[in-house]
Amino acid sequence: EAQVTQNPRYLITVTGKKLTVTCSQNMNHEYMSWYRQDPGLGLRQIYYSMNVEVTDKGDVPEGYKVSRKEKRNFPLILESPSPNQTSLYFCASRGGVGGYGYTFGSGTRLTVV
Amino acid sequence: LAKTTQPISMDSYEGQEVNITCSHNNIATNDYITWYQQFPSQGPRFIIQGYKTKVTNEVASLFIPADRKSSTLSLPRVSLSDTAVYYCLVGGGNTGKLIFGQGTTLQVKP
Repeated sequence: EAQVTQNPRYLITVTGKKLTVTCSQNMNHEYMSWYRQDPGLGLRQIYYSMNVEVTDKGDVPEGYKVSRKEKRNFPLILESPSPNQTSLYFCASRGGVGGYGYTFGSGTRLTVV
Repeated sequence: LAKTTQPISMDSYEGQEVNITCSHNNIATNDYITWYQQFPSQGPRFIIQGYKTKVTNEVASLFIPADRKSSTLSLPRVSLSDTAVYYCLVGGGNTGKLIFGQGTTLQVKP
């Protein structure tokens, strides 16, 4: 089944403890992206990647890192999480040029205490 | 990326056709128009995409006038399970940028 898989689905952590949220897609897509969704603020793009080793900042990149060493994986790294990074995170991917037909993962609900 | 404007919310009843219009006055020549549906705590789901005129798939139709400054998502015979937030996005396909607006919250009543 074609899908975007995020792990973990739920995570509670403490301030300052480094964490990684993994994202993997099995559709050989070039484009991958991370979003956070907060009440009243909607979906905001954190980082995106247009291919292996090519990443760029979205609208809210502060406090996050990403890497794209392989086409299928696009992990989101929080080096020193803070409570304001408590949010619902989504990873998404799409292939090629020609529109915005992204496939989204099921989400990761992160709580930083 | 072109800015979009949609109604914040809409109400409908089961079995009715729902039309949600999105304005995108600054759409560029190579921009596509894409609609997503999102249920609470789930990732957005791609519904339909178009460039001009009319596009139809198994769940919706998308109407785009000749000037492309607006588009209308049409959901035939909605059911309670169509209660969700609907987002209209406009942009070209050669960028990783994807900006969601505030979306339209559709409430379908019995």
